[in-house]
Amino acid sequence: NAGVTQTPKFQVLKTGQSMTLQCAQDMNHEYMSWYRQDPGMGLRLIHYSVGAGITDQGEVPNGYNVSRSTTEDFPLRLLSAAPSQTSVYFCASSPARNRGPGYGYTFGSGTRLTVV
Amino acid sequence: AQTVTQSQPEMSVQEAETVTLSCTYDTSESDYYLFWYKQPPSRQMILVIRQEAYKQQNATENRFSVNFQKAAKSFSLKISDSQLGDAAMYFCATKTSYDKVIFGPGTSLSVIP
Repeated sequence: NAGVTQTPKFQVLKTGQSMTLQCAQDMNHEYMSWYRQDPGMGLRLIHYSVGAGITDQGEVPNGYNVSRSTTEDFPLRLLSAAPSQTSVYFCASSPARNRGPGYGYTFGSGTRLTVV
Repeated sequence: AQTVTQSQPEMSVQEAETVTLSCTYDTSESDYYLFWYKQPPSRQMILVIRQEAYKQQNATENRFSVNFQKAAKSFSLKISDSQLGDAAMYFCATKTSYDKVIFGPGTSLSVIP
C-alpha cells in the first residue's frame, strides 16, 4: 500500500548509543518532516525537507541529524542518545505547494523510542 | 513564528451530542492553511478537515465542521452527532508558505455512551 513507512516500530537504546530511524514514502512527495510527540506537548517539529538535498531545522533540532539524498527517504539520526529523547517519533510527507498547497501531511505509524 | 494553542487539554461529550474543540493560532503570514488531525489509541494520525485562510467559507466534512475566524485567529472544530469512534486526541495545526506544519498540544476527547 502507498504511504509512509517507518522502521523500527519500537526501540530501546542505552544512553550514548547512536541509531537511525528510517522513513520512506512511495507517493513521490517533495516535503518530508520528522516530529516527536511527548505527553501534553503535541507534535514538535525536529527537521524538515522541501526536496532532495534540502533540509532545515524545526522547533527542536538539537541532538538529531537528517539528510535527504533521494525523494523517497528521509532518515533521522540520533548521534548520542539521551533519556530526554525518549519519545514517539513520527515521519510525515506531503506534495509540494505547486501540486496543491492545501494538502496536509500523510503520517507514518510512528516509532516508540526509549532511552535508558 | 507560528504558534498554535489549544486551551482544553480534555473534553467529554455524550454520544449523539455536539462538541466544539477550540484552537487559536498566531502567524505573520497572510497565506496559510489550517488543519485538524485526529489520533485514536492506535497512534495513527488522521487528517479530519482542512481550511484555506483565503476562503471565508467554513470547511465541512460530514459530521465535522470548523468555525474559522480569521481576524481573531481562531479555528474551532465542531463534531456533531458524536460517536464512540470519535474518542481520540485532536490536534490543530497550521501550515504557512514555508510549508512547516506546527501543531498545538492537543485535546483529549472522551465520548460517553
